Amino acid sequence: EIVLTQSPGTLSLSPGERATLSCRASQSVSSSYLAWYQQKPGQAPRLLIYGASSRATGIPDRFSGSGSGTDFTLTISRLEPEDFAVYYCQQYGSSAITFGQGTRLEIK
Amino acid sequence: EVQLVQSGAEVKKPGATVKISCKVSGYTFTDYSIHWVQQAPGKGLEWMGLLDPEDGETIYAEKFQGRVTITADTSPDTAYMALSSLRSEDTAMYYCAKTKNYHLLSSFDYWGQGTLVTVSS
Repeated sequence: EIVLTQSPGTLSLSPGERATLSCRASQSVSSSYLAWYQQKPGQAPRLLIYGASSRATGIPDRFSGSGSGTDFTLTISRLEPEDFAVYYCQQYGSSAITFGQGTRLEIK
Repeated sequence: EVQLVQSGAEVKKPGATVKISCKVSGYTFTDYSIHWVQQAPGKGLEWMGLLDPEDGETIYAEKFQGRVTITADTSPDTAYMALSSLRSEDTAMYYCAKTKNYHLLSSFDYWGQGTLVTVSS
């Protein structure tokens, strides 16, 4: 199965700053079948990005995804207070779907 | 409006089986596959498996193979996930989710609210 490794484990930033989250795959992700989710305490995950770079419906344009092959990035251009949460990457290019272990984005 | 509504919290003894339901509405049930995801307390997301409601095809994660069974009924449009031989490590929140597009393997655009399963003697 494809192992996804997210870094950093925790990111401490202030509102208004730029956040860069990384997701590295143990092997190439087919057709950029990579997604990013946001999860807040007590809530189900929310789809942000699919196909590595396409924003899901209703997602603000401060969220952007990039990358291909084995290296992917989620960027939040200017952090809003509601963006502090845990973020997961997911690959769905193989029949064994896997998630990264998550990056916690916390207020500095 | 698309909705996935899961059954309520469960408390089970070790060795028992739990069966969780996921009732969907707001879209054509047979057009999109349903996936199940486990999240242990304070931990990350783990994919368990999927079901294609159109033909009943299932794919299970290796970790849960032999213990998980995903099924569906179309009256009403409901998916089920049964997990057997429960152990304490199965204490977790379980989510159902639908795929964003018509492929079996896709991102998940709608999720259920989660069902907490507690395994305790």
